[in-house]
Amino acid sequence: AQSVTQPDIHITVSEGASLELRCNYSYGATPYLFWYVQSPGQGLQLLLKYFSGDTLVQGIKGFEAEFKRSQSSFNLRKPSVHWSDAAEYFCAVGGSGGSNYKLTFGKGTLLTVNP
Amino acid sequence: DAGVTQSPTHLIKTRGQQVTLRCSPKSGHDTVSWYQQALGQGPQFIFQYYEEEERQRGNFPDRFSGHQFPNYSSELNVNALLLGDSALYLCASSISYEQYFGPGTRLTVT
Repeated sequence: AQSVTQPDIHITVSEGASLELRCNYSYGATPYLFWYVQSPGQGLQLLLKYFSGDTLVQGIKGFEAEFKRSQSSFNLRKPSVHWSDAAEYFCAVGGSGGSNYKLTFGKGTLLTVNP
Repeated sequence: DAGVTQSPTHLIKTRGQQVTLRCSPKSGHDTVSWYQQALGQGPQFIFQYYEEEERQRGNFPDRFSGHQFPNYSSELNVNALLLGDSALYLCASSISYEQYFGPGTRLTVT
């Protein structure tokens, strides 16, 4: 069974500081990995994805993530956080083929940005 | 290019009633997935429709059913509503493994 763990429920950073959100996954084959962001009462916006190839992937809004197969991790990073980045962030794992099309999400990390 | 749209935005129902939620996929997308997001939780996969057939189903009871139309739009039906069905229901459309989400329908069951 596939699963995602986001160890940090809530993180607070100061504006301009760097950010790293942790994500660990469990999947029996090659995973497809995603990070989504959700503002209050809104749907999910795709930040970035990893399918294959270069393990460091770039996304929108200055975010990047690194796939580490040996650690089953896909951590999200941003060098300098802006107040508008305050939101909830979800890591998700999906199937890389066969009959598995669903995304399995973590419980999310709420990011607060202090001025 | 319009993204994924969902209707209605909000809905209040009484226990035991039935509800239908609607989703229009992003242009060019042929696959629709539905997710339930309870308060403070990540989205949970309900099912996915492709070519008007349910292709995969998550761990949800038969009270949850769906349909996909020839224009790829989709409906989610929930019968015999329970208080625990109160959640944000998200629709996602895709043409491959990259899913794009709509704004959701907030369902409150009283």
